Amino acid sequence: EAQVTQNPRYLITVTGKKLTVTCSQNMNHEYMSWYRQDPGLGLRQIYYSMNVEVTDKGDVPEGYKVSRKEKRNFPLILESPSPNQTSLYFCASSSPGSTGELFFGEGSRLTVL
Amino acid sequence: RKEVEQDPGPFNVPEGATVAFNCTYSNSASQSFFWYRQDCRKEPKLLMSVYSSGNEDGRFTAQLNRASQYISLLIRDSKLSDSATYLCVVRTSGSARQLTFGSGTQLTVLP
Repeated sequence: EAQVTQNPRYLITVTGKKLTVTCSQNMNHEYMSWYRQDPGLGLRQIYYSMNVEVTDKGDVPEGYKVSRKEKRNFPLILESPSPNQTSLYFCASSSPGSTGELFFGEGSRLTVL
Repeated sequence: RKEVEQDPGPFNVPEGATVAFNCTYSNSASQSFFWYRQDCRKEPKLLMSVYSSGNEDGRFTAQLNRASQYISLLIRDSKLSDSATYLCVVRTSGSARQLTFGSGTQLTVLP
């Protein structure tokens, strides 16, 4: 089954404790992206990757890092989480020929205390 | 001003009603337009693309007005299962990178 898998789905952590949210897709997509979704603000792009070893900042990259060592994986790293990073995070992927369809993971709800 | 603006709702309508959502976008260079659907606490999924001539998919009709920079989604004969948040999405270039999401319009269809 074609899918984007994120882990963990739910996480409560404390300020400053490094964490990684993993994202993996099995559709051989070149493009992958991370979004955060907050009430009233919609989906905002954090980072994206056009292919292996090619990453770039989105609209709200501060406090996040990513890597793309393999085509299927695109982890999101919070080196020192803060409460303002409490949010619902979505990973998404797309094929190069896609006109606009993004395939999203199920989301990771992160709470930073 | 937000790049993509939607009425957040909520829209509460009885089953069988017709409901319409509008969305405005600020970038006149926007190229492609979409409606995504997001169920509560779930991931967004593509509902339909919006073409210049307007397009229909069953009970759903999408229209684009480039001159006024707005798109619309019409749902006829609403079903309980249509209850969701509808996201207006605009692309300003040829890559998926340039997808901008609206905040969404919440629809609840009541029995």
